[in-house]
Amino acid sequence: KQEVTQIPAALSVPEGENLVLNCSFTDSAIYNLQWFRQDPGKGLTSLLLIQSSQREQTSGRLNASLDKSSGRSTLYIAASQPGDSATYLCAVPTQGGSEKLVFGKGTKLTVNP
Amino acid sequence: GAVVSQHPSWVICKSGTSVKIECRSLDFQATTMFWYRQFPKQSLMLMATSNEGSKATYEQGVEKDKFLINHASLTLSTLTVTSAHPEDSSFYICSAFLDRGGEQYFGPGTRLTVT
Repeated sequence: KQEVTQIPAALSVPEGENLVLNCSFTDSAIYNLQWFRQDPGKGLTSLLLIQSSQREQTSGRLNASLDKSSGRSTLYIAASQPGDSATYLCAVPTQGGSEKLVFGKGTKLTVNP
Repeated sequence: GAVVSQHPSWVICKSGTSVKIECRSLDFQATTMFWYRQFPKQSLMLMATSNEGSKATYEQGVEKDKFLINHASLTLSTLTVTSAHPEDSSFYICSAFLDRGGEQYFGPGTRLTVT
């Protein structure tokens, strides 16, 4: 059974700092991995999707890496801003190429001005 | 990007009544949609897979007679919480895929409070 763990559960940093969020999964036979952002009381916004054949994806100040063999992914946020404050979730398919996703509990990020 | 909407965004109902939540893919067709539930400070848990033109498939532990799913068209899935109880109070979120194996797009969620 696929399980996803995110560390740390919460993170508070001053504005401008670079930071790394971690995600690990137990079954490395994944099709892809997706990072999401969730603002309080809101739905999910897709940030980055990494296919199993890729090692990283970049979008603006965000960079996500994937090490499938070790079951890990990291989300790197450069030059953090108060507007980056949110909960960040990673998700992988429940098994193989399934479209059903298993989510981690998320990392709640607070960027202080 | 692809947009998924939900209606209503929040609803309060009395215990014992039924509530219907709509999920629409606005600019693409989705043969498959997913319904998730999120309790406070918890992550999303998959409830069921909604399949256009066929019966939904439910995850273990989810009562299919309580959470009725209808995927009547390629752009609309509905979740009906029947005989709602306070423990059904939660944040319900739907999602859909634009292309198989691609990104999954989520709706803004529906906050259900049962009094």
